Amino acid sequence: QVTLKESGPALVTPTQTLTLTCTFSGFSLKTNGLRVSWIRQPPGKALEWLARIDWDDAKLYSPSLKPRLTISEDTSKSQVVLTMTDVDPADTATYFCVRANYGHPDYWGQGIRVTVSS
Amino acid sequence: QSALTQPASVSGSLGQSITISCSGTKNDVGGYNYVSWFQQHPGKVPKVLIYDVRNRPSGISPRFTGSKSGNTASLTISGLQAEDEADYYCASYTSNSLEVFGSGTKVTVL
Repeated sequence: QVTLKESGPALVTPTQTLTLTCTFSGFSLKTNGLRVSWIRQPPGKALEWLARIDWDDAKLYSPSLKPRLTISEDTSKSQVVLTMTDVDPADTATYFCVRANYGHPDYWGQGIRVTVSS
Repeated sequence: QSALTQPASVSGSLGQSITISCSGTKNDVGGYNYVSWFQQHPGKVPKVLIYDVRNRPSGISPRFTGSKSGNTASLTISGLQAEDEADYYCASYTSNSLEVFGSGTKVTVL
C-alpha cells in the first residue's frame, strides 16, 4: 500500500527557512519511472508545481523558485525533503507531496498547511 | 514558465456535457503526451481523473474523457452530476522536464 505524508512546521517567521518532509511507504524511489514532487496551493488559489526528484536522482525545480528551493532524498528513511529559504507571507499555502509513475501522478499526501507570519 | 490557461468557470445542467480547455504552448501541452487532469472538492486533496492525455486511472468514471489538439488539452464531463461540482486543474510536462499546472476551473452544476 502506497502512502505519503507531509510533516513540518505549521507556522514560520518571514525570512526563515522552511523544511518540509515527505515520508513515504509502499515503494522505493529507486524504482525506474518513479518520481516525487512537491506541489503547493495558497488559500483560494491554484496548484503550483515546485520541485521533483526522480528515480535516477535527477532534481528539477520551478524556475521562479529555483534559487530558494532544495529537494533531497533520505533513502534510509524513505523521505523526500524540501527546503525553502527566505520565506515570505506569499509562501503561505498547503504543501503536498505527490508520487508519479512516469507521467502518471498516482498518489498524493494529505497536505500540510504552512503559514508564514511574524 | 507561465501557468496553463483554463477558463475560470464553466457551468452546465444536470445530465449535460461540458468541456474544460487547457491551453499551453508547443513547449508543454503541444509537445508532450503528459497531460493530467485533477478534480478537487473544497478542502480536499486533488484526485487524478486523467493522465497521459486520455488515460483514466482505475475507479474513475468513464464520464470523464481527456483529449488534445495542438497546444490545447480538454476534459469533457458527460452526464453532469451534482458531485461533479468542484475545481478542476490540468497539468503538463514541459520541454525541460519540468511541470506546470493550469489556472484552474470552477465547475458549477445548475
